[in-house]
Amino acid sequence: GAVVSQHPSWVICKSGTSVKIECRSLDFQATTMFWYRQFPKQSLMLMATSNEGSKATYEQGVEKDKFLINHASLTLSTLTVTSAHPEDSSFYICSASPAGGQGGELFFGEGSRLTVL
Amino acid sequence: GQNIDQPTEMTATEGAIVQINCTYQTSGFNGLFWYQQHAGEAPTFLSYNVLDGLEEKGRFSSFLSRSKGYSYLLLKELQMKDSASYLCAVWDSARQLTFGSGTQLTVLP
Repeated sequence: GAVVSQHPSWVICKSGTSVKIECRSLDFQATTMFWYRQFPKQSLMLMATSNEGSKATYEQGVEKDKFLINHASLTLSTLTVTSAHPEDSSFYICSASPAGGQGGELFFGEGSRLTVL
Repeated sequence: GQNIDQPTEMTATEGAIVQINCTYQTSGFNGLFWYQQHAGEAPTFLSYNVLDGLEEKGRFSSFLSRSKGYSYLLLKELQMKDSASYLCAVWDSARQLTFGSGTQLTVLP
């Protein structure tokens, strides 16, 4: 199946700093990528939909100025957590579909576990 | 709004068969997914149903009834490695994937 790579897998940062997470589709082009957040023992919650060449669409309650998304190419989307705080500590997962969001299988990155001290 | 329900936990014995149910109420429907997620890892794709009926893939099968807003994932010949969280997710008319809270399956020897 298609491969989505996410980096870094683990990151620890100090409160107030910014962290960038990359999501790459390795063997297909993805005009749309999705960013999820998962707290312990909870399901995945969609944060935003990343659209290549245009602004991301954020879900209700997700601060767009805090979670900056850039989808500069057809194979790369980045999520930057700005001025991170301990409550931002979570498992962040990206996903993409070769079908471009028109249905069909969705492939996930390996996830990035963020710990903010 | 979106509403996807599945049991929180299930326990079964190695070698047995287990059925994990999922009911949904969403704004439009473009397909239902089942994912497996081991602790600390990203979800992995198991199945995708967009038409009514049963889709079989090895030890795993998935069933869909659109009129009833109902799906189940059937796991046969359970193995210890099948202990994981199983996520039901619906692709709605806005092309967004909404996940259920997941069913934590524990396989006992």
